[in-house]
Amino acid sequence: DAGITQSPRHKVTETGTPVTLRCHQTENHRYMYWYRQDPGHGLRLIHYSYGVKDTDKGEVSDGYSVSRSKTEDFLLTLESATSSQTSVYFCATRLGDYGYTFGSGTRLTVV
Amino acid sequence: SQQGEEDPQALSIQEGENATMNCSYKTSINNLQWYRQNSGRGLVHLILIRSNEREKHSGRLRVTLDTSKKSSSLLITASRAADTASYFCADTGGGNKLTFGTGTQLKVEL
Repeated sequence: DAGITQSPRHKVTETGTPVTLRCHQTENHRYMYWYRQDPGHGLRLIHYSYGVKDTDKGEVSDGYSVSRSKTEDFLLTLESATSSQTSVYFCATRLGDYGYTFGSGTRLTVV
Repeated sequence: SQQGEEDPQALSIQEGENATMNCSYKTSINNLQWYRQNSGRGLVHLILIRSNEREKHSGRLRVTLDTSKKSSSLLITASRAADTASYFCADTGGGNKLTFGTGTQLKVEL
């Protein structure tokens, strides 16, 4: 979607290294979300933000941290990457009660 | 948190046929949404139906909601090859977290 940019699009990293994924939006939406998508599990919420410096945990938050210092940027950090964190990560934003807008995803491989 | 369950997991039909997929939750539904995901891409919002609505249409899409059964269905009429994708239901349960179903993989063959 043109309003959300995720970077990088692909990344291969080694076990134990820190990794930061970036989500940038141009829609000025208050809510931002990080999901991971894995076969057999669908999309699962990692963390979300309801404003600058306001964040909360989702259902699979262990091993992940987030930060939001500006409305437009929401960062997801894997403090010490593990193979179980190999996944496709999606960022999303929401405006009011309408549908969410998703980014194109980041494919992360931890070797 | 709850996850929606969808069935069938996979569906293969011929172009021109209708496709129906179902979604159910264990807890109450608030703003039930349907999304489409093409292979390797992000999810695209298709339609939202609120808990006080029973049916909603958008082009070739028809969504129904039964709050007593905590279930919804998505009907795609006159399917096209371009409809080949995975379809997900999702609901917030009244909060700020959107919880997704497990998805239905639809394949429309020429």
